[in-house]
Parts: sequence; structure tokens; C-alpha cells
Amino acid sequence: GAGVSQSPRYKVAKRGQDVALRCDPISGHVSLFWYQQALGQGPEFLTYFQNEAQLDKSGLPSDRFFAERPEGSVSTLKIQRTQQEDSAVYLCASSLAGTLDSPLHFGNGTRLTVT
Amino acid sequence: DAKTTQPNSMESNEEEPVHLPCNHSTISGTDYIHWYRQLPSQGPEYVIHGLTSNVNNRMASLAIAEDRKSSTLILHRATLRDAAVYYCILRDYSGGSNYKLTFGKGTLLTVNP
Repeated sequence: GAGVSQSPRYKVAKRGQDVALRCDPISGHVSLFWYQQALGQGPEFLTYFQNEAQLDKSGLPSDRFFAERPEGSVSTLKIQRTQQEDSAVYLCASSLAGTLDSPLHFGNGTRLTVT
Repeated sequence: DAKTTQPNSMESNEEEPVHLPCNHSTISGTDYIHWYRQLPSQGPEYVIHGLTSNVNNRMASLAIAEDRKSSTLILHRATLRDAAVYYCILRDYSGGSNYKLTFGKGTLLTVNP
């Protein structure tokens, strides 16, 4: 079946531009996570949705980062006025339920390069 | 969050078993032990998880110490496609109904042909 889909796969932005990254989770999955992965590092948590409710945004690095999931399915991560330090792979994951034993299913990420 | 300690890297030969260790001496009673792996240029992939008992699935086995302060991921016959970074993660409740995963640096597994 279809997994988590992210688009675009690659994005190059000039410093100061706004970008929007899309995540299509697995159909029916309640929980949705965004992670940021710098080169050579493990993924770092950004934010979490349960259906359309954003329950945890403690990992968002600044107020330039904004995420939404208005209908409880597709989610968008927006970064305003991009900076070079925003260059990373942005990963989206979904899980069927928000429980400790419910595995996360990850997409292959969007690689953002800010020049 | 409780922390895990893994070797930075390990090597294995194709078709041999691989034992990937993980120490988690500060684990709490409600922490689940999760393993994910990440192949190059892909997102992390769920491998296996457990709480107290050993677990087996089609991908691997998870052996959990009796005191739960360590665990071992076992790949029974390594293939070249198993070359990846393996993450051992303790998953617990983080507030806001959030059971997020907190990744460390993981173990880079190299499989030699």
C-alpha cells in the first residue's frame, strides 16, 4: 500500500525566501510528526499533530517555522525567511494511533538547501 | 527523556548474524524499547519494539535483559541491504498526548560481501 509521501523531494531556496513542504500521511493515521535531520545527525523532533490538533510544537526552532494539518490528513511545514542554517532534510512520519507501541512510518523527506 | 548508548559503528559479513547492542541504564518502567533503521537517502524505517519480553518479527529479533537496562537487536543473516544506521530509542510519554521518538546518533552498520 501507499506509504507516507513528501513533496518536493528536493528544494533549493535563496536566503530570505519562504518555502512550503507537504506531507501526505498514510490514510487513516491519526498521529503526524515532523522531524528535521542535519547531515550526519539523527532526526530531531519538530512538532506533533493528533488529527488536526497541534499538540506539541516544542521542537520548532523559531517562529519562522509553522506547521498545519487543517483537515487532519495532509500537513504542510512552512518556513518563512529561510536562513542557511535551515538547510536539512525534513522528515514527516505518521502512525495509526498515538500510543507508545504504535510504530511511526516515515516518508523519504524533503532535502532543503538554502543558498 | 531516558538516554541510550550505542556503538558508533559495527561491521559484519554477509549471511552472518549481527548483534547490535544498546545500553539504557536509566530506563523507566513505562519506556518501550524501539529500534529503527535508516538506509542512505531514505527516511527511518521501523524494525521492532518491545517492553519486557523478547520479540521476534520477520525483520529481526529483540533480546531484552532481565533488568531492562540493555537490549540487543539481532539480525539473523545480514545482507548487503541491511547496511544502515540503526537507532535504539526509548519511547515514553512526553506530554500533550505525544509519544514522540527521540533519536540519538545510532550505530552505522557496514555489511561486507
